[in-house]
Amino acid sequence: GQNIDQPTEMTATEGAIVQINCTYQTSGFNGLFWYQQHAGEAPTFLSYNVLDGLEEKGRFSSFLSRSKGYSYLLLKELQMKDSASYLCASMDSNYQLIWGAGTKLIIKP
Amino acid sequence: GAVVSQHPSWVICKSGTSVKIECRSLDFQATTMFWYRQFPKQSLMLMATSNEGSKATYEQGVEKDKFLINHASLTLSTLTVTSAHPEDSSFYICSARDPLLADTGELFFGEGSRLTVL
Repeated sequence: GQNIDQPTEMTATEGAIVQINCTYQTSGFNGLFWYQQHAGEAPTFLSYNVLDGLEEKGRFSSFLSRSKGYSYLLLKELQMKDSASYLCASMDSNYQLIWGAGTKLIIKP
Repeated sequence: GAVVSQHPSWVICKSGTSVKIECRSLDFQATTMFWYRQFPKQSLMLMATSNEGSKATYEQGVEKDKFLINHASLTLSTLTVTSAHPEDSSFYICSARDPLLADTGELFFGEGSRLTVL
């Protein structure tokens, strides 16, 4: 079956670095997405990886290993506004997104 | 990036009534739109794929007669929750893919509609 696993909740300190891991099993693979979702709001796009390696975009970076079915989202210089849920989603062979349950990130001062 | 607008943001209705939610792509034409439902502290659950000019494709377990989807134009899809009941209370979100950005696969989301059925 298709499955996305990511931690339910993580806590980090303002100014620090946090890594949110995601493992996936999907029927075929057409890329791995990370979205940020603040409570009560729609998700917003953060990153898309389809090739192995690290993609850096400002304070956020995303890594993909297709052979391991593994990705992580790295957030640097954490700010209070980064408190949100982070959703990992894998696109399968039918270009359907399979969503993880999301990781709630709590930032403490 | 592309913009998807959803309306209304909040709706409260009585049990047994029907509610219509609109999803519009404002600066691109979307042949396909997706409707999701999200319960508190849970991830997005795909309900159906809305196809312009044809019938929607519903996910397993989603009642097509209860959740009516119409995609009459390239910029508008509507979801109608018919005979709503309290268990239908949820956050409904639509999304669409910009054909010009097909290579990225990125989905653009509407703002979401929070439905409360009394």
